[in-house]
Amino acid sequence: AQKVTQAQTEISVVEKEDVTLDCVYETRDTTYYLFWYKQPPSGELVFLIRRNSFDEQNEISGRYSWNFQKSTSSFNFTITASQVVDSAVYFCALSDFTGANSKLTFGKGITLSVRP
Amino acid sequence: DGGITQSPKYLFRKEGQNVTLSCEQNLNHDAMYWYRQDPGQGLRLIYYSQIVNDFQKGDIAEGYSVSREKKESFPLTVTSAQKNPTAFYLCASSGPPLSADTQYFGPGTRLTVL
Repeated sequence: AQKVTQAQTEISVVEKEDVTLDCVYETRDTTYYLFWYKQPPSGELVFLIRRNSFDEQNEISGRYSWNFQKSTSSFNFTITASQVVDSAVYFCALSDFTGANSKLTFGKGITLSVRP
Repeated sequence: DGGITQSPKYLFRKEGQNVTLSCEQNLNHDAMYWYRQDPGQGLRLIYYSQIVNDFQKGDIAEGYSVSREKKESFPLTVTSAQKNPTAFYLCASSGPPLSADTQYFGPGTRLTVL
C-alpha cells in the first residue's frame, strides 16, 4: 500500500524567511510519480510539480525548489524568501506508474502561514 | 478557457435528501475523479472514471454514486445513505494533451447538511 506522510501540520514564518515543507513516502513500486499541490484559501488545488522516480535531479522554479531523495524516500519543498501570497495548505501526493490516469495518494497537508 | 468547473460552489442539504454535485471539464481528458476533503485531512478518493460509461469505487465510495455518460461530465450524487456528508468535494481530471498522469482540479463544492 502507498502512504504519504507530512509530519508538519502547521508552519508559521515571517515574510522573507525560507521555509521547507517535508514529505516522506512509502511505496513498493519501483516506478512512481510524486507531486506537490497548493491549496489557497479559495479551495482549488493548484498543481506545482510532478517528478518521476527515475529523475532525482533537484528542480528550481523561481522561489520554489524541490529536493527528491530516493534513499530517504523524501520529496521536500522549499520556498525561498517567502511571501504572504504563499500562505496556503500544501499537499504532497504519490501515484503509481501503471500508465495514464493513475490514482493519487495524498498526505494530510501542511498549513503554511506567512506573516508580514 | 480550458478548465474544470464545479457547481454549485455552496450546497445545503437537509438530512435524508439526495443531492447531485456537478463536474464538467473541457480539457478533453479521459479520466475524472471525485475526492472528499475534511478539515485537517488530506483528500480521499470517492470514485474515479478512466473512460466513458465506466467507473470504479475509490476508498470511501459508500453512500455515493456517479455516472459517466459523457466524456466532459462526471456528476456525483451524495445519497441519504452517506452518514456524514458535510465536507468539501473536489473534482479532478487527467489525460492528454496535458500530462497524462497529472490531475487538475476544479474549484470545489462545499456541502453542508442542515
